[in-house]
Amino acid sequence: AQSVAQPEDQVNVAEGNPLTVKCTYSVSGNPYLFWYVQYPNRGLQFLLKYITGDNLVKGSYGFEAEFNKSQTSFHLKKPSALVSDSALYFCAVREEQAGTALIFGKGTTLSVSS
Amino acid sequence: DTAVSQTPKYLVTQMGNDKSIKCEQNLGHDTMYWYKQDSKKFLKIMFSYNNKELIINETVPNRFSPKSPDKAHLNLHINSLELGDSAVYFCASSLPGTVPGELFFGEGSRLTVL
Repeated sequence: AQSVAQPEDQVNVAEGNPLTVKCTYSVSGNPYLFWYVQYPNRGLQFLLKYITGDNLVKGSYGFEAEFNKSQTSFHLKKPSALVSDSALYFCAVREEQAGTALIFGKGTTLSVSS
Repeated sequence: DTAVSQTPKYLVTQMGNDKSIKCEQNLGHDTMYWYKQDSKKFLKIMFSYNNKELIINETVPNRFSPKSPDKAHLNLHINSLELGDSAVYFCASSLPGTVPGELFFGEGSRLTVL
């Protein structure tokens, strides 16, 4: 069965500093990996995805993520955090097999201080 | 122009009542989903429909019944509401296919059962 873990409930960074939000996954076969962001009282918004190809994926708002197959990780990164990046971030995974659902991690709250 | 719209946005009701949440998408997607987000922000897939056909039905009480009158609509009807049904319910849609596209989420419907 597929699963995804986000080991940190909260990540605190100062504005201008680099940020990392961690994610590890477990699937049978090749994974499809996603990051979403949720602002208060809003739906989730897509940031980026890894399907195949280059391990470094670039997405919206300057975010990027690196797929590491040996460590089964897909950490979200940004070189310079903004206060407006403060939100709840979800990592998600889906198995290669068709008809399977996107499974979400428990979420990590990112707080960027000015 | 809202891509995935849900109504109502807020719903407060008594235990034992029956209620429905409606979802419509104007993206031309074939696949639609219902997710439940609990008070700890944990997201769990409930159902998925592809072109009006049920393809994913997770371990959800049979008090929950999805209905898809056409591929642009996926409604959720809940019978005999219980306190534990209180949550935010998110509708989402995506393009079908073996290689998954991103999910587009609605703004959520917050259900409070008293």
